Amino acid sequence: ELKVEQNPLFLSMQEGKNYTIYCNYSTTSDRLYWYRQDPGKSLESLFVLLSNGAVKQEGRLMASLDTKARLSTLHITAAVHDLSATYFCAVENNEKLTFGTGTRLTIIP
Amino acid sequence: DAGVIQSPRHEVTEMGQEVTLRCKPISGHDYLFWYRQTMMRGLELLIYFNNNVPIDDSGMPEDRFSAKMPNASFSTLKIQPSEPRDSAVYFCASRRTSGSETQYFGPGTRLLVL
Repeated sequence: ELKVEQNPLFLSMQEGKNYTIYCNYSTTSDRLYWYRQDPGKSLESLFVLLSNGAVKQEGRLMASLDTKARLSTLHITAAVHDLSATYFCAVENNEKLTFGTGTRLTIIP
Repeated sequence: DAGVIQSPRHEVTEMGQEVTLRCKPISGHDYLFWYRQTMMRGLELLIYFNNNVPIDDSGMPEDRFSAKMPNASFSTLKIQPSEPRDSAVYFCASRRTSGSETQYFGPGTRLLVL
């Protein structure tokens, strides 16, 4: 059974600081996703990572994938309040997504 | 495109009643997924379809749950009879067959069973 672990579960950080969210998974996968969810809202796709060493960046967010270590990271640079949300990683196997527990990120002014 | 459309957005019902959730995927997408989100269990895949055919329903919690996709633009998830533990947010998502395509999620249906 595929297991996906995210850490930390909760993260409070000051504006302007950098931090990283980690996503570990237990078996080989076809691809890895990062999603953002605002309270009471749906999931918004951030990144799709397809292969080992893949790195994608959008604004202050950068995601990377190490398939050998079964690890993906989501790095936040110079955080701003608008980034406050819950971030999920999800691992795909045979079209099925298994989600991590999510990381609730709060940016403090 | 309007994105994935779900209805109703909110549903409050009493235990024992039948509940039907509806989903219209993005035009041209050949995969459709139903998920459930709760505080206790997080996001879980219930069932998914490819070209209107159910492929994997191993996530459907029990026989009270059923899903259909009569055509490429419409799917339903039915709970009969509903129970309080079914209270959750139900999301529909769709995707096109492609190496780099993501799954696009609908707004969700917030279900409360009293």
